[in-house]
Amino acid sequence: DTGVSQDPRHKITKRGQNVTFRCDPISEHNRLYWYRQTLGQGPEFLTYFQNEAQLEKSRLLSDRFSAERPKGSFSTLEIQRTEQGDSAMYLCASTVGGGPGGGYGYTFGSGTRLTVV
Amino acid sequence: RKEVEQDPGPFNVPEGATVAFNCTYSNSASQSFFWYRQDCRKEPKLLMSVYSSGNEDGRFTAQLNRASQYISLLIRDSKLSDSATYICVVNPAAGQAGTALIFGKGTTLSVSS
Repeated sequence: DTGVSQDPRHKITKRGQNVTFRCDPISEHNRLYWYRQTLGQGPEFLTYFQNEAQLEKSRLLSDRFSAERPKGSFSTLEIQRTEQGDSAMYLCASTVGGGPGGGYGYTFGSGTRLTVV
Repeated sequence: RKEVEQDPGPFNVPEGATVAFNCTYSNSASQSFFWYRQDCRKEPKLLMSVYSSGNEDGRFTAQLNRASQYISLLIRDSKLSDSATYICVVNPAAGQAGTALIFGKGTTLSVSS
């Protein structure tokens, strides 16, 4: 499978617990993005990596959120002390370089659906 | 004004109908534009890129009006399989919202037989 892979597909956690999601982008894509989507809304930008460098973080990314891309390949998104408001679909996307957004649009993974109870 | 605004939905049309979605964007320096399709509980998928004066792909036509900061998507001869949410996406000018694409809320289309 040469698409963007996300794991797990679904996660149910109790409020206050920590969760970690993983994203494996398309291998030749150097740009990786995390977005969050809630019901009835479009995807909202969280953070962006070019290779291993985290170049942009949204104001939505509170200090409970951290993302890494240690070797410029896969990425992880961790949420500490989860709150009910964190319940959402977390989407990872990748693209090649060559200008903002790559000019080609993004390829999204299937997402991780988080439910905080 | 929101960065990307779309027609409120849902749009309910019969098979064979022509339907148009509209989108406006706030940043006049935005560089490029896309339409994404999202099926229920699935990830968004790129439907069309919209460059310069627009483009066509089969039954789908995307138009761009930079002066009015307006993008449209026209679907001709609607099929049941076109039922989905259509999201307008804007590539902002460098330095605004990082280099991340900005997504609209989407407009839901339901095509019935």
